[in-house]
Amino acid sequence: DADVTQTPRNRITKTGKRIMLECSQTKGHDRMYWYRQDPGLGLRLIYYSFDVKDINKGEISDGYSVSRQAQAKFSLSLESAIPNQTALYFCATSDSMTGRRETDTQYFGPGTRLTVL
Amino acid sequence: DQQVKQNSPSLSVQEGRISILNCDYTNSMFDYFLWYKKYPAEGPTFLISISSIKDKNEDGRFTVFLNKSAKHLSLHIVPSQPGDSAVYFCAASAKTNAGKSTFGDGTTLTVKP
Repeated sequence: DADVTQTPRNRITKTGKRIMLECSQTKGHDRMYWYRQDPGLGLRLIYYSFDVKDINKGEISDGYSVSRQAQAKFSLSLESAIPNQTALYFCATSDSMTGRRETDTQYFGPGTRLTVL
Repeated sequence: DQQVKQNSPSLSVQEGRISILNCDYTNSMFDYFLWYKKYPAEGPTFLISISSIKDKNEDGRFTVFLNKSAKHLSLHIVPSQPGDSAVYFCAASAKTNAGKSTFGDGTTLTVKP
């Protein structure tokens, strides 16, 4: 079974609709992240959470919100989707518990391909 | 300002030859560097990393070299195999901002049989 799962894997929606992307992990990691990837571009950080009560904006948080429902669950919402939010979205986790720099290694889910018409 | 740059969007090499993927960074606070590999329809997976206290780290066919004075790192794959065909992302993090990484735009490597 995959350690980091994302649902749905594909979603097509219309402008103005509210969309929620969900991420679950069984790795026991405390840190979780949401990224988006556009064609030819790298991974841009939307939001991140270092524990259940800690939520932080990334470099492109406008138009998005998140909820950390439990250590293992981190969801991303688009309150009113627009076409330029069409992208590949990745959830990732990392583990702060070892106290070493190797904790910067992130483990990614398979991605959600979102299309906003 | 893009702090991590991979200036080659694509690279094509023959099977058995060396693949060299390059990455430059501008933030002198970065002290830990990672390479991830991504296949189509999958998420990125960690490949290899290097701390700024080292200039080389090797793992099987993969070696990462770090040149701090030039703010440059490279990933060498020897010998290259068709299964290495993927997008490779360079990422960097700073001790003062641990847990957050900045990613490059990726290089698509194609290894031809």
